[in-house]
Parts: sequence; structure tokens; C-alpha cells
Amino acid sequence: DQQVKQNSPSLSVQEGRISILNCDYTNSMFDYFLWYKKYPAEGPTFLISISSIKDKNEDGRFTVFLNKSAKHLSLHIVPSQPGDSAVYFCAAIVRYNFNKFYFGSGTKLNVKP
Amino acid sequence: DAGITQSPRHKVTETGTPVTLRCHQTENHRYMYWYRQDPGHGLRLIHYSYGVKDTDKGEVSDGYSVSRSKTEDFLLTLESATSSQTSVYFCAISESATGSVSGNTIYFGEGSWLTVV
Repeated sequence: DQQVKQNSPSLSVQEGRISILNCDYTNSMFDYFLWYKKYPAEGPTFLISISSIKDKNEDGRFTVFLNKSAKHLSLHIVPSQPGDSAVYFCAAIVRYNFNKFYFGSGTKLNVKP
Repeated sequence: DAGITQSPRHKVTETGTPVTLRCHQTENHRYMYWYRQDPGHGLRLIHYSYGVKDTDKGEVSDGYSVSRSKTEDFLLTLESATSSQTSVYFCAISESATGSVSGNTIYFGEGSWLTVV
């Protein structure tokens, strides 16, 4: 059973608008969350992360929000750019537990010019 | 870029043959992982290692074995390849989570495309 879920396989957004990617998790022991971006034929690359003691982390155009009570996190990209078109994976980890990272199934973002 | 090299990058093999994928890191990171990526399933953990000769199973370990005889190398072996093991395989590394900010991040190699016919 997947512990990290991304229920939207794809998302299409106009350039300049906001992209919101969502992720849900079931394991309340997760204490750190990450977002990765993946281009075709490349490995995933780290984008942004958030600790469970925070509810928001911002890095430039990227902001991650965490709602622990709802076991939900989201990634906001503002403004969206065509170069943001990629597959986005959310991941979660229980730190100090052998660093096992659990990933969602990914959301393919398409930013239209 | 994290110093992770996967080999081979592309391989076509026949059903029933053994296959070994190699991951080599130059970062001296403690943890190493093998994931597979399939449509609709995202990245699923096959096996991972938390030190030399220390390995454990992930979510989808059936049909796979691993070995780590040196810090820098982590081998994934398909004992008898099946068509269901056609996938993209990613090696990844991370440091210890204890006292290390970067330990909270996992770094991926560029992937190995395996086709079993």
C-alpha cells in the first residue's frame, strides 16, 4: 500500500499562472518531506523540502505547504514557466530510520507558453 | 551533480537470463538505494543499503538481490529476468540523517533502462 500518494497524474497550466501540485501521505511518523523534479531521460533532482515542524518553506518561485492534520502537502510554483514542465515527485522520510525515502507516483506538469 | 554513475545505461536482455546493474558513487555517502520507475507507480524502492554488507529489502524486492562490498559500489542483480522487470532503474545515495542537513536529501543517478524480451 502506497504511503505517499499523488492523485493527479497530470496538470496543465498557462505560463505565468500558479501551478499547484498535491501530495497526501498516510504514515504519521513521516517527519520530513521533499519534492523532486524529473525531466525525461534524466534522474530526479531535488527541488525543495520541509520539516514536519514547519508548515511552509519558500525558495524563490517554489513554496511547499504542509498540513499535518490533513496529512497533505502541496507545491506551489509562481509564476510557472515552460521550463518547469516535468514530472514532480513528492517524497517522505522518517529520519533516523535508515533514511528510507518513500515516493509518490508523480504528477506530470505541462506549462503552456 | 552528485557523483553517481550507473552502468550499463541501457540493456536489452532475454527472459531467464541474469542481469547485474552497477552503481558507483564518489561521495562516500553511507546510504545507497535502488529504485525502479514505472508508469503509474512512480519510484518504488527495491533494496537499500545502510553500510558495507548491510542491506535490506524495500517495497518491491522479489526477484532482486543486492550486494555492497565497498562503500562506493552497490550492485543490483536480477537472478532470472522477467518481462515484468522491464523498467528504468535508478540508483540513489544519501548521507546519514543524524546531524546532517544534507542527510535529508537523496541524490539520484541518471538511470539504467532495462528491457527484458
